[in-house]
Amino acid sequence: DSGVTQTPKHLITATGQRVTLRCSPRSGDLSVYWYQQSLDQGLQFLIQYYNGEERAKGNILERFSAQQFPDLHSELNLSSLELGDSALYFCASSVLGSRPSGANVLTFGAGSRLTVL
Amino acid sequence: DAKTTQPPSMDCAEGRAANLPCNHSTISGNEYVYWYRQIHSQGPQYIIHGLKNNETNEMASLIITEDRKSSTLILPHATLRDTAVYYCIVREGGKLIFGQGTELSVKP
Repeated sequence: DSGVTQTPKHLITATGQRVTLRCSPRSGDLSVYWYQQSLDQGLQFLIQYYNGEERAKGNILERFSAQQFPDLHSELNLSSLELGDSALYFCASSVLGSRPSGANVLTFGAGSRLTVL
Repeated sequence: DAKTTQPPSMDCAEGRAANLPCNHSTISGNEYVYWYRQIHSQGPQYIIHGLKNNETNEMASLIITEDRKSSTLILPHATLRDTAVYYCIVREGGKLIFGQGTELSVKP
């Protein structure tokens, strides 16, 4: 158990629907990161939040949005789902934000597997 | 795009040392090199990180060249459970960008 909790573990839905993935960071961590991993693809960085504020953005579609709440848990909302959105979605957390210097080790959760039919 | 280059795949005999190379020729002076691995579809697992000096922990050793343009992750006694994709990462604009990694197969 890494200390990063993601729910649900598995989710099956239909095209056009909307889903919400939830992440609870490791105790004491202030940053949350979201990554997407499609079948046989690498990990694509989506977005980072630090203490409730968006800190960095990657290849996140406009149909996707995220937020980090005061208790530091985060949610990734995926709407108007398409077949190509089927993927593993990983959340990671770290103590630090996106400082340019200093080590920043991420701890990953076990992921949420989304299947869009 | 990732700032690191790794061989796509490597084989290693069980019980032998696995040496995984990584090129990061554009690394800046204050950037760390991080190594993670992903076993099947599990969440990536942190292994080790370093800045200038060689580092060792209970999982692996990290050798960084003096010019910091490349590094090598060493698993001293590889086991079948070390079969995974290994990622060498240098932070870009505060983000950890994963490349394609090296698929390490440990064979009996």
